[in-house]
Amino acid sequence: LAKTTQPISMDSYEGQEVNITCSHNNIATNDYITWYQQFPSQGPRFIIQGYKTKVTNEVASLFIPADRKSSTLSLPRVSLSDTAVYYCLVEGSQGNLIFGKGTKLSVKP
Amino acid sequence: DGGITQSPKYLFRKEGQNVTLSCEQNLNHDAMYWYRQDPGQGLRLIYYSQIVNDFQKGDIAEGYSVSREKKESFPLTVTSAQKNPTAFYLCASSIGYWEEPQHFGDGTRLSIL
Repeated sequence: LAKTTQPISMDSYEGQEVNITCSHNNIATNDYITWYQQFPSQGPRFIIQGYKTKVTNEVASLFIPADRKSSTLSLPRVSLSDTAVYYCLVEGSQGNLIFGKGTKLSVKP
Repeated sequence: DGGITQSPKYLFRKEGQNVTLSCEQNLNHDAMYWYRQDPGQGLRLIYYSQIVNDFQKGDIAEGYSVSREKKESFPLTVTSAQKNPTAFYLCASSIGYWEEPQHFGDGTRLSIL
């Protein structure tokens, strides 16, 4: 199973770019990488998904190197409302749905 | 608005009782999931269903049971065999199984009296 490893916590200031890296050394060929955001006492919300190279949407970018053993979520110009826990999920065809423990991002004024 | 509804938001159980958590979706999604989240921890998969009348055990299925009689509903029963049921339970759905983003409900917090 593709286990994921993320930093437990990160601090940032408003307006800065934040990069959160997830390690998934055992990722399988058919696995996708998905990132979610979770606020306290709420369900996670989808941010972005990718398979390889770079994916960008209106809220974030996802960078995946050629070996796919890691991925980096990039949040441009964070605000206080981006304070949350961010999860990296590797989703695979073999029934693998492995959520890591997440990265708690704290954005300060 | 389409989405996933979990009820109740808070639930209390006495020792030895079974309780059922409700999960309903109107997104017309085929796949549905149940996760458990403990304080400060990630999500752990309990059960998932790829299609009506079919479901599979996840990583921590012991002490739980599910049914999938309708596409829009995937109730989870926490049985008395689950020795440590106090947790935050999250239901999710997706268009298809894996590789599709999951849509989550806002959870049910279960506590033991």
